Amino acid sequence: SQQGEEDPQALSIQEGENATMNCSYKTSINNLQWYRQNSGRGLVHLILIRSNEREKHSGRLRVTLDTSKKSSSLLITASRAADTASYFCATAVNYQLIWGAGTKLIIKP
Amino acid sequence: GAGVSQSPRYKVAKRGQDVALRCDPISGHVSLFWYQQALGQGPEFLTYFQNEAQLDKSGLPSDRFFAERPEGSVSTLKIQRTQQEDSAVYLCASSPTGSPHEQYFGPGTRLTVT
Repeated sequence: SQQGEEDPQALSIQEGENATMNCSYKTSINNLQWYRQNSGRGLVHLILIRSNEREKHSGRLRVTLDTSKKSSSLLITASRAADTASYFCATAVNYQLIWGAGTKLIIKP
Repeated sequence: GAGVSQSPRYKVAKRGQDVALRCDPISGHVSLFWYQQALGQGPEFLTYFQNEAQLDKSGLPSDRFFAERPEGSVSTLKIQRTQQEDSAVYLCASSPTGSPHEQYFGPGTRLTVT
């Protein structure tokens, strides 16, 4: 079963703009992860944020976590064509990663 | 080094046929996971191995699905008597530890059942 939902389902922006996508989840978590999936490279881990962290940065990525609202956001700054992909959040329940349905991001040149 | 590989990359099966999907994890990785991803959806957990032991198979959708990892390295996901609803991408991931947090994914096998 899916853990929660990402929104928006799809997002199309101009190259250079920032992209924000959100994820909601249902259960208590120890951490939350964001992944990117495109046809060229498959699923790639982007960043992990622990439940006691509120914000984390990695290059052009910024992730926030609000455990009171059971939600997380991923911000990609200064988007590039290569950022075109689907983005998923995932949380761990025992050995399982439980995934959202993803946001499809398209960067227009 | 080499990542996780899966074969075949694409498989077309007639309804009722059996299929076998192979996963070669990163050498030395203890854990191996299988996921099913329907079009436009996120992956859904199928099963988990730690070495050769299948510790969790709660995500397998029916008894037509069977997975094995007999020597603790290569794994095979077998689907018997395929149905149209089995059409999906099957993803394999491996991890150097037992943790689900550090998974490296293969490119997937796209199965189409006609």
